[in-house]
Amino acid sequence: RKEVEQDPGPFNVPEGATVAFNCTYSNSASQSFFWYRQDCRKEPKLLMSVYSSGNEDGRFTAQLNRASQYISLLIRDSKLSDSATYLCVVTGYSGGGADGLTFGKGTHLIIQP
Amino acid sequence: DTAVSQTPKYLVTQMGNDKSIKCEQNLGHDTMYWYKQDSKKFLKIMFSYNNKELIINETVPNRFSPKSPDKAHLNLHINSLELGDSAVYFCASSPGRGYTFGSGTRLTVV
Repeated sequence: RKEVEQDPGPFNVPEGATVAFNCTYSNSASQSFFWYRQDCRKEPKLLMSVYSSGNEDGRFTAQLNRASQYISLLIRDSKLSDSATYLCVVTGYSGGGADGLTFGKGTHLIIQP
Repeated sequence: DTAVSQTPKYLVTQMGNDKSIKCEQNLGHDTMYWYKQDSKKFLKIMFSYNNKELIINETVPNRFSPKSPDKAHLNLHINSLELGDSAVYFCASSPGRGYTFGSGTRLTVV
């Protein structure tokens, strides 16, 4: 079983639409959760951390469900510049700061004009 | 100033050669990492160093040897390069939560 699973897409979405992704993780001891964004031929960049209480950053809303081991990302009023690969990331099996990130394979989003 | 810088950005080399990739961070972070992104775009951790000490060493061939001369540098040396080593290698650093990645080194073995 893969540690972090995501639908690879691609998701083709018209500009202005709302789009939602989700991922599941297998290790219930995971401590921290993130969404990263990766543009073609670029490095991953942190989009937002994910908390059980849910958190919002502008048009982006992230949610964690620890019981279901499920993480979601909602993008409202999508822009052309939102086109990218969105990576679901978990870390901290041991809770230590040196723990590496475990990445999902990413969901490819294409916003169409 | 670039926070995490890797050199070279591109590296094309023949099978059997030995090559090194350098990484430096000016963020004062204690922990540095090497990740590999293969042709299927899957990012996977290779090594983690905390204040010059090896913390994580995933199942990586021993042809790959990380070296950390100080906590701001983590270099990756690869011996006897193989075709399957072709990938993008990303260096990253972290203070404990939140990670900053370098822009990657695209290695092509021919």
